[in-house]
Amino acid sequence: DAGVIQSPRHEVTEMGQEVTLRCKPISGHDYLFWYRQTMMRGLELLIYFNNNVPIDDSGMPEDRFSAKMPNASFSTLKIQPSEPRDSAVYFCASSPRPGLVTEAFFGQGTRLTVV
Amino acid sequence: EDQVTQSPEALRLQEGESSSLNCSYTVSGLRGLFWYRQDPGKGPEFLFTLYSAGEEKEKERLKATLTKKESFLHITAPKPEDSATYLCAVLPGRDDKIIFGKGTRLHILP
Repeated sequence: DAGVIQSPRHEVTEMGQEVTLRCKPISGHDYLFWYRQTMMRGLELLIYFNNNVPIDDSGMPEDRFSAKMPNASFSTLKIQPSEPRDSAVYFCASSPRPGLVTEAFFGQGTRLTVV
Repeated sequence: EDQVTQSPEALRLQEGESSSLNCSYTVSGLRGLFWYRQDPGKGPEFLFTLYSAGEEKEKERLKATLTKKESFLHITAPKPEDSATYLCAVLPGRDDKIIFGKGTRLHILP
């Protein structure tokens, strides 16, 4: 398996524009996590899915953020409208079954810059 | 609220100088504690999982230990290639949210 695949690797956009980040988890993993990483706050969990269903979105900062998982092999994180404070590295991770205490596997991340 | 605190924030060591990184946690019913390594521009890479107090895991120059309140990542005779950010994460008992600390940036000088 190629691991967790995220696209794009880098995104530069203007304030107010819509941004969509994409993730393909490892095949067979039941859980998918979206994290945001900044120097100030470290890795913050935004939302996670179990079997394509959103379980906990309490980390989503505000209504401008939304995430979907239409099938087991694809998820998106959308920011609309984007703001400069959204600039960060966004990671997607997948895990077989955290309930069995298995680690999460991370993608390479998308570095988002909002100017 | 579940929390993970790592210290120090940054650490500079000479090559061969052993030290330890700390991860303190407050969590309801710990099911597992993870250590990850993160290189610049890359995603976190899994190192260890610890399940219960008293457990230890080793990999090359790294050894992770766990008590009821904290975990240590001991690095013995480090080399420059061990320079990275080391992240600690916990899996609480009540849900499947994996919560991370802010990490320790380790720099090994040749």
